[in-house]
Amino acid sequence: KAGVTQTPRYLIKTRGQQVTLSCSPISGHRSVSWYQQTPGQGLQFLFEYFSETQRNKGNFPGRFSGRQFSNSRSEMNVSTLELGDSALYLCASSFQGNYGYTFGSGTRLTVV
Amino acid sequence: KQEVTQIPAALSVPEGENLVLNCSFTDSAIYNLQWFRQDPGKGLTSLLLIQSSQREQTSGRLNASLDKSSGRSTLYIAASQPGDSATYLCAVGSNAGGTSYGKLTFGQGTILTVHP
Repeated sequence: KAGVTQTPRYLIKTRGQQVTLSCSPISGHRSVSWYQQTPGQGLQFLFEYFSETQRNKGNFPGRFSGRQFSNSRSEMNVSTLELGDSALYLCASSFQGNYGYTFGSGTRLTVV
Repeated sequence: KQEVTQIPAALSVPEGENLVLNCSFTDSAIYNLQWFRQDPGKGLTSLLLIQSSQREQTSGRLNASLDKSSGRSTLYIAASQPGDSATYLCAVGSNAGGTSYGKLTFGQGTILTVHP
């Protein structure tokens, strides 16, 4: 079966711009989580959606937001980009939260 | 607040060695523990998932154990190969209520290099 698909794979944006990343979970998976990975901070949890509802949110500023659609696909948006937002953004899906997660290949965002 | 620590931070071994990676967590109220592998610039590949009621899981040359009471897990890799070279990440899913949904807490990882 198809895995978790993240698009685009790479992005280069300028400070101040906004960006939208997309994640298509494994078919049948209703939980989608997002993580930011940087060399200094490691993997940090952004938020989790289940059946279109945000159930949990990490400690990130309000510039980071997300949503989930009725087909479980999810998007995350970062507004007013800062240099420090450069990172690998990973999406993970699960049949139901806490049943083990499958990760996508990530979106590499570079802010210049 | 759950904290996960992995030891060692880096490990370099010759091909063929058996090795152990360690993971410790501070809050024993976990739902499960998952070991991942990450190749440079890539996403995470799930290796093993251990539910809180289980003591160990095995897949091929990999064996992971879980001791909830002591807050520890180990990943055992038998007969290591150069293709095993990667970063290995331990992640804990907690069941501490509303703030735990969909959230995995990760360790910083162990960078493994297996040389021929």
